[in-house]
Amino acid sequence: DGGITQSPKYLFRKEGQNVTLSCEQNLNHDAMYWYRQDPGQGLRLIYYSQIVNDFQKGDIAEGYSVSREKKESFPLTVTSAQKNPTAFYLCASSPLAVLAKNIQYFGAGTRLSVL
Amino acid sequence: SQKIEQNSEALNIQEGKTATLTCNYTNYSPAYLQWYRQDPGRGPVFLLLIRENEKEKRKERLKVTFDTTLKQSLFHITASQPADSATYLCALDMLSNTGKLIFGQGTTLQVKP
Repeated sequence: DGGITQSPKYLFRKEGQNVTLSCEQNLNHDAMYWYRQDPGQGLRLIYYSQIVNDFQKGDIAEGYSVSREKKESFPLTVTSAQKNPTAFYLCASSPLAVLAKNIQYFGAGTRLSVL
Repeated sequence: SQKIEQNSEALNIQEGKTATLTCNYTNYSPAYLQWYRQDPGRGPVFLLLIRENEKEKRKERLKVTFDTTLKQSLFHITASQPADSATYLCALDMLSNTGKLIFGQGTTLQVKP
């Protein structure tokens, strides 16, 4: 079964704690993305990566960090510096091939709440 | 400033009617416009896209139009069914080499039996 797997589905963070959200894809896609979704708002880009060992900040990168050590994996860490982390987090991937037209494929999301 | 806007109010229609959702943008020049469906608590799923030089695209009961003069895309679902109830997101594709898309906030459609 090809696709994007996000885990866990639900996550709770205590004050001052860093938490890591997992995102794995077996689609052999080059690009991966992390979005944050709040009620009534669109998807806001946190970080993205086009190639292994390289990533760029999106529109709301403060308080977050990522790594891309393998093509299949793009974990997101929500650090204690992110003061309002409660949201629905979505990971996506895209093949970046010319004929693929930048269609993005999404995981099922992780809902993060603060205890 | 650059903006992408969809109807923030939920759209409620009767089963069998045509649902029409709007996506407007300002100060962008997208090469493609994409539409996604998102069910509650799930990730968005790609539905279809339309190129800047295409006026209309169809897929089964779905139809998308793209007017680059008005800077607007319309998304139609004909013969709507309760199973079509979901949030629909439009996204602008500037054809950047990063693959980044710019998403609207989505419109929630409720189809009543």
